Amino acid sequence: QKEVEQNSGPLSVPEGAIASLNCTYSDRVSQSFFWYRQYSGKSPELIMSIYSNGDKEDGRFTAQLNKASQYVSLLIRDSQPSDSATYLCAVNAGYSTLTFGKGTMLLVSP
Amino acid sequence: GAVVSQHPSRVICKSGTSVKIECRSLDFQATTMFWYRQFPKQSLMLMATSNEGSKATYEQGVEKDKFLINHASLTLSTLTVTSAHPEDSSFYICSAYVRQGEDTIYFGEGSWLTVV
Repeated sequence: QKEVEQNSGPLSVPEGAIASLNCTYSDRVSQSFFWYRQYSGKSPELIMSIYSNGDKEDGRFTAQLNKASQYVSLLIRDSQPSDSATYLCAVNAGYSTLTFGKGTMLLVSP
Repeated sequence: GAVVSQHPSRVICKSGTSVKIECRSLDFQATTMFWYRQFPKQSLMLMATSNEGSKATYEQGVEKDKFLINHASLTLSTLTVTSAHPEDSSFYICSAYVRQGEDTIYFGEGSWLTVV
């Protein structure tokens, strides 16, 4: 069974710090990886996708992928209180269906 | 970027009635759409995969006769909750698979269903 594991948190960081969110997955044939942000009562919003090993940067966000270790992470630099949300890691094994982790709650304190 | 629109955003219905939720892809054709359900403080649960022009594929434990899915066009999928009961009250979210260079999945805004 395909699994995506995330620490449920909450992960608490002060404003301006770097928040590091981690995710591991079980299906070795996974091809694409996504990070979504979900505010309470709202639908998930795509933050970043990553397909190749290494780092991918977009503004304050950096996604890191290590397929050998089956590990994907999201770094948020200069964290803001508005970044407080649940972050969902999702993995696509190539059949267009995403497997989601249960999410990590991030709390950024002013 | 790609946009997926859901309607209605909130709906209240009486127990025993049916309610339809629409999911539209606004600027792209979506051959595959997905329907999720999320209870408060819980993870997204995939209910079914909707393929244009064919029957939906339901996840284990999801009653296909209760949650009717129709994907009649490349831009519209609908979920009908039939004979709704209070335990069906939940946040229903659709998503669409987009192949634009890199494969991506976008979510609709979600629909809150309350059955009274």
